Amino acid sequence: DVKVTQSSRYLVKRTGEKVFLECVQDMDHENMFWYRQDPGLGLRLIYFSYDVKMKEKGDIPEGYSVSREKKERFSLILESASTNQTSMYLCASSYDRRRAETQYFGPGTRLLVL
Amino acid sequence: DQQVKQNSPSLSVQEGRISILNCDYTNSMFDYFLWYKKYPAEGPTFLISISSIKDKNEDGRFTVFLNKSAKHLSLHIVPSQPGDSAVYFCAASARGNTPLVFGKGTRLSVIA
Repeated sequence: DVKVTQSSRYLVKRTGEKVFLECVQDMDHENMFWYRQDPGLGLRLIYFSYDVKMKEKGDIPEGYSVSREKKERFSLILESASTNQTSMYLCASSYDRRRAETQYFGPGTRLLVL
Repeated sequence: DQQVKQNSPSLSVQEGRISILNCDYTNSMFDYFLWYKKYPAEGPTFLISISSIKDKNEDGRFTVFLNKSAKHLSLHIVPSQPGDSAVYFCAASARGNTPLVFGKGTRLSVIA
């Protein structure tokens, strides 16, 4: 069974704080993704990575950065958290970018920025 | 510009009846389609998929139909159960290394 874990289920942070969200997958997947989910807006792709040390911007990268130092770990960083970054953050992974692949999601981190 | 559209934000169905969730897409390069189910406070879980070389894929109570000419797919759940109440996301991908594109989701409520 594919397992994608996220470091926290719930987080409360103050405006201006630096926030790290960690994601780990245990199935040797090449691809990893960060999304946020907001009511009425569905799942929006923030960043993704197809390989170690490589990253690509998704649809809404502003205010975020990512790090992928190891294949199994993909971190999302909010350099200076703002209230409009309050959201559910979802990490996903998939095996191989060269063919259509199912993405597997972690349980999500619900972030509240005060 | 939404490439994957789920035009019904919500759907309510009686237990035991059929639930039909619809999804339209605009990008003719999409060749793989998936449905995900999401409960509150959990990550989406993969439900069923279909390749563009097929027009139907069935897995137990769940069937996905693909109409390529209409750029439309639908998910049928028969019979619907209260545990099916969740948000359902349609997703699509194009060959050649592109991430999945998700619709905004449809909230299904199955009433006992």
